[in-house]
Amino acid sequence: DGGITQSPKYLFRKEGQNVTLSCEQNLNHDAMYWYRQDPGQGLRLIYYSQIVNDFQKGDIAEGYSVSREKKESFPLTVTSAQKNPTAFYLCASSIGQYSNQPQHFGDGTRLSIL
Amino acid sequence: AQSVTQLDSHVSVSEGTPVLLRCNYSSSYSPSLFWYVQHPNKGLQLLLKYTSAATLVKGINGFEAEFKKSETSFHLTKPSAHMSDAAEYFCVVRGRGYQKVTFGTGTKLQVIP
Repeated sequence: DGGITQSPKYLFRKEGQNVTLSCEQNLNHDAMYWYRQDPGQGLRLIYYSQIVNDFQKGDIAEGYSVSREKKESFPLTVTSAQKNPTAFYLCASSIGQYSNQPQHFGDGTRLSIL
Repeated sequence: AQSVTQLDSHVSVSEGTPVLLRCNYSSSYSPSLFWYVQHPNKGLQLLLKYTSAATLVKGINGFEAEFKKSETSFHLTKPSAHMSDAAEYFCVVRGRGYQKVTFGTGTKLQVIP
C-alpha cells in the first residue's frame, strides 16, 4: 500500500541539541509539507517542497530546516534555535499544485523536551 | 485571503443520534474544501472533498457534507453516530498554490454510549 511513513513516533530533545524527523512517501507525489500541531491551534505550515532540490518557508519556519534530495524523502531538522519545539509534527504530500487534490498525511512524530 | 472557522470546539452526541459539525469558510475564489478526521496520536485521514462538482458530497464511514455557497458553509453530517466516530475533525480550504491550505482549529467529537 502506498503511504507516508514518519519516524520515530516519539522523540526527545535535550537543550542545545538538533534533532531530525524522517518523512518518506511512496505515493510518487511531487509536493511535500511539514506541519506543526499544537492543541487548539489547528495545523501550521513549517516548510513545503514542490520538487526535488527546492523548498520554501511556510508560516513558522524559524528554528527549523529541511532538505529535499530525493522525491521520496523530506526530513525536518528541529534546531536548538527553536525554543518551544514540544509539539506533534505531521508530514504530508500531494500530487502537485492542483487545488482539488487532497493532502495525504503520515502518522506524526511527537517531540518533547527532556 | 482565505479562512475557515469551525464553529464548535467540542460536540457531544449519544450513540445512534445524528452528528453535525459546522464549518464556515471565506475565499476570494471558488475553493476546494475537505474534511479530515484525526484519532489520538495519528495523522489526518481524508473523509471527503468538494471540488466544484456536486454540492452534496458523500465520504467514507457514512459521513457527508453539503457545500452552500450562499451561506459559505460546508457542514459535516452523519445520520447515526458510532462509538468509533469519536475523534477530532478538521475542515480545510485549499486555494491555488502549494501553500494555500488553511486548516480549521478542529472540533472534538465525543460519542456517549
